[in-house]
Amino acid sequence: GAVVSQHPSWVICKSGTSVKIECRSLDFQATTMFWYRQFPKQSLMLMATSNEGSKATYEQGVEKDKFLINHASLTLSTLTVTSAHPEDSSFYICSASGTYKAQYFGAGTRLSVL
Amino acid sequence: QKEVEQNSGPLSVPEGAIASLNCTYSDRGSQSFFWYRQYSGKSPELIMFIYSNGDKEDGRFTAQLNKASQYVSLLIRDSQPSDSATYLCAVKKGAQKLVFGQGTRLTINP
Repeated sequence: GAVVSQHPSWVICKSGTSVKIECRSLDFQATTMFWYRQFPKQSLMLMATSNEGSKATYEQGVEKDKFLINHASLTLSTLTVTSAHPEDSSFYICSASGTYKAQYFGAGTRLSVL
Repeated sequence: QKEVEQNSGPLSVPEGAIASLNCTYSDRGSQSFFWYRQYSGKSPELIMFIYSNGDKEDGRFTAQLNKASQYVSLLIRDSQPSDSATYLCAVKKGAQKLVFGQGTRLTINP
């Protein structure tokens, strides 16, 4: 149980384009999902907390107009990186809060912006 | 002071030995604690969670919690090369968020 699916796993895009990443909880309903970013050899950095049916709560320093989060259902949250630039290249990971309040992570999306 | 602190390592342990990973946290009111394993280039995978003082065992893994000392540890018995990874300690903050330590890089030497 507690499987979280994240797509795509890799994406390469041109500077200025937008990229959408999907996160799905496959076998449980996730009222809360989280989006993280991780740079090489660094720990996870929480970007935002997403609650089903409401606006996401962004961490300090994260631009909400650049990183659009939608949590339209109990099993799906999406992160859209708008007008991506090379500095947005990173490993983006979603997680969903499930049984025992633990967070279960998706496989991550490696974004490369050329 | 960081909210969750771990020794970044690397920690090198011979195969078959016990690996001991340590974590301290600053918020005395913290109630829930988690250990995640992260292989290079992959996302974190939940190993164990612990809420009560004392030990909690699951297979080769034992989590230990001492709330008075604000200390949580993870022991890995009979270490295998496949246990080589970065281990992340996480502490629940508020109702939803987790605060992660920097992670300890563990290498098991055959």
